[in-house]
Amino acid sequence: GENVEQHPSTLSVQEGDSAVIKCTYSDSASNYFPWYKQELGKGPQLIIDIRSNVGEKKDQRIAVTLNKTAKHFSLHITETQPEDSAVYFCAAGRGWGRRALTFGSGTRLQVQP
Amino acid sequence: NAGVTQTPKFQVLKTGQSMTLQCAQDMNHNSMYWYRQDPGMGLRLIYYSASEGTTDKGEVPNGYNVSRLNKREFSLRLESAAPSQTSVYFCASSEGVQNQPQHFGDGTRLSIL
Repeated sequence: GENVEQHPSTLSVQEGDSAVIKCTYSDSASNYFPWYKQELGKGPQLIIDIRSNVGEKKDQRIAVTLNKTAKHFSLHITETQPEDSAVYFCAAGRGWGRRALTFGSGTRLQVQP
Repeated sequence: NAGVTQTPKFQVLKTGQSMTLQCAQDMNHNSMYWYRQDPGMGLRLIYYSASEGTTDKGEVPNGYNVSRLNKREFSLRLESAAPSQTSVYFCASSEGVQNQPQHFGDGTRLSIL
C-alpha cells in the first residue's frame, strides 16, 4: 500500500517569513495530492490539492509543487500570518475507494508574531 | 451549509461497553469514510463506503463495524470498546469519483477507561 512521509514534524517561523513542508510517497499509481489544515478541536480542512498532470498550483499565499519522478510534493506558504498556525497534513492516493487517501503524520506550524 | 455533522462530540466509555458514532452529510456525496486520528500518526482509514449500499474495510478495521444507513448517513459501531480505541474519530465524504476532495466533520473525541 501507499506510505506517506512528512517533514518536519514541527516548524516555527516569524510572521512574514515563508514556510515549506515536504512529503514523499511510495505508490507510483497515486495521482491525487491534497493538503489539509487542522485547527485545534476541528476537523481537517482542504486548503489546496494537485493532480498528477500538474507540476505546480498556486492559490494566493499557498502553493504546492509535485515531482512525480522523485515522488515528492511540497506545500509553500508565503508571508505567513499568526492565523496560519495549525497542523498541516499532506495526503496521497488514487482519489477513490480504499486507496483514496493515505495521510502523512502532520506538521505543527507555529507563526510567531 | 452544515457539511459533515458528527455526533456526539465527546464520549467516555468503560472497557467492554458498546457505542455507535453517527455521521451525516448534506452535500449529496456518494462516498463516505471513517478515520481515526492518534498523536503522531496522522489519520488512518477504518472503513469506507464507496456508494450507498456498499461498505469495505480500510487500514485498521478490527474492533469496528459500520452501516451505510442511506446516502446521507454512515455510522461506526464499537461492539466491545477497548482502551486501544481511545482516539479522535473523523467522518468524511466525497463525490466518489476519482480525485475529488474529502470533506471532514469536526470529530468525536472518545476515551475508553
